[in-house]
Amino acid sequence: GENVEQHPSTLSVQEGDSAVIKCTYSDSASNYFPWYKQELGKGPQLIIDIRSNVGEKKDQRIAVTLNKTAKHFSLHITETQPEDSAVYFCAASKTGGSYIPTFGRGTSLIVHP
Amino acid sequence: EAQVTQNPRYLITVTGKKLTVTCSQNMNHEYMSWYRQDPGLGLRQIYYSMNVEVTDKGDVPEGYKVSRKEKRNFPLILESPSPNQTSLYFCASSFIGQGDSPLHFGNGTRLTVT
Repeated sequence: GENVEQHPSTLSVQEGDSAVIKCTYSDSASNYFPWYKQELGKGPQLIIDIRSNVGEKKDQRIAVTLNKTAKHFSLHITETQPEDSAVYFCAASKTGGSYIPTFGRGTSLIVHP
Repeated sequence: EAQVTQNPRYLITVTGKKLTVTCSQNMNHEYMSWYRQDPGLGLRQIYYSMNVEVTDKGDVPEGYKVSRKEKRNFPLILESPSPNQTSLYFCASSFIGQGDSPLHFGNGTRLTVT
């Protein structure tokens, strides 16, 4: 089955710095890669996703890049703010297959004011 | 408002006392799933359902039961809870479609078994 590795497990940055979280996947058939943000006391929420026919996607201060050859994808957050502090999860799944998404173990991002 | 609703938010119980955590979604999603979240282990899937009366085991199903009698509801049942089931539980749902629909999560149920 699919295996998703996520690094780092914790990331501490100063406000205004950039943050990068990386994930690798094992199943070359995976073609949908969502990212979720989990704030304290809440469930994970989708913040951005990318499909395998696209190499990069941006939404204001966040962006996701995908390298299908290397089987890795990354979340980039620019100009970090304290409200970006949360746990971030990457996931991978494949359309037309079993559908079940596989999650990374999560990254705890701390943005210091 | 589109949402996944879990109840209760917090639950403290004793070993062996049967309990049910409810989950309901108002988005007409076919797919529903239960996860448990433990420190350092991320989200682990317990059970999932692709539609009414269709359920299957996830990665950590031991000690849990589910049912899907209606499309909107997917309760998680612990027949005889044990302390190792102390965890944070999340219900999630989505459309199946082409398999590229994001999950919608509830706000979690924190369970403590003493």
